[in-house]
Amino acid sequence: QQQVKQSPQSLIVQKGGISIINCAYENTAFDYFPWYQQFPGKGPALLIAIRPDVSEKKEGRFTISFNKSAKQFSLHIMDSQPGDSATYFCAACFYGGSQGNLIFGKGTKLSVKP
Amino acid sequence: DAGITQSPRHKVTETGTPVTLRCHQTENHRYMYWYRQDPGHGLRLIHYSYGVKDTDKGEVSDGYSVSRSKTEDFLLTLESATSSQTSVYFCAISESGAGDQPQHFGDGTRLSIL
Repeated sequence: QQQVKQSPQSLIVQKGGISIINCAYENTAFDYFPWYQQFPGKGPALLIAIRPDVSEKKEGRFTISFNKSAKQFSLHIMDSQPGDSATYFCAACFYGGSQGNLIFGKGTKLSVKP
Repeated sequence: DAGITQSPRHKVTETGTPVTLRCHQTENHRYMYWYRQDPGHGLRLIHYSYGVKDTDKGEVSDGYSVSRSKTEDFLLTLESATSSQTSVYFCAISESGAGDQPQHFGDGTRLSIL
């Protein structure tokens, strides 16, 4: 019930292409879904987040799509650039929660080839 | 970048020895977290703190203890290190612990237990 399943484990995309990373969750009580980006040797950093009352959120080249009925959400990176090469983690938690209950997926390593 | 310092950044030690990792923040955030990151497992919460002397267990707390005697410092202790605790350890901080408050991560401590 607490798992967040993320796929694929790794992804290679050509520069200018679209990168798509998918996540699925089990606990319907989750109501906040952030994505974190991690570069080698660094800690993860918040990239973008969504609440389930909207189906899509866009920030620049990054878009989260959310399907509440399927309990799935995905990250789309448009016009992917070599600088986007990083590991991406989806996560789920309770919007108003205060118990450190951020549940992470296992991560997707994205490589964007020039 | 959030003011988070983890020390040491790298450590090699032997099985059975005690190890203490330190996380120091200059943001005066109430919540602090310890995660471990392993290939194929993503980020898993070890312990977290919601105030001075207030701590709670996470998903993988066995073999670890924590202490927080000051707002700015959160210590993670491995009382008797085992090879299974070889990992990269990340500290994170959050202003309120609410789901919509981003967690800001340090750059990690790479711990190898031989």
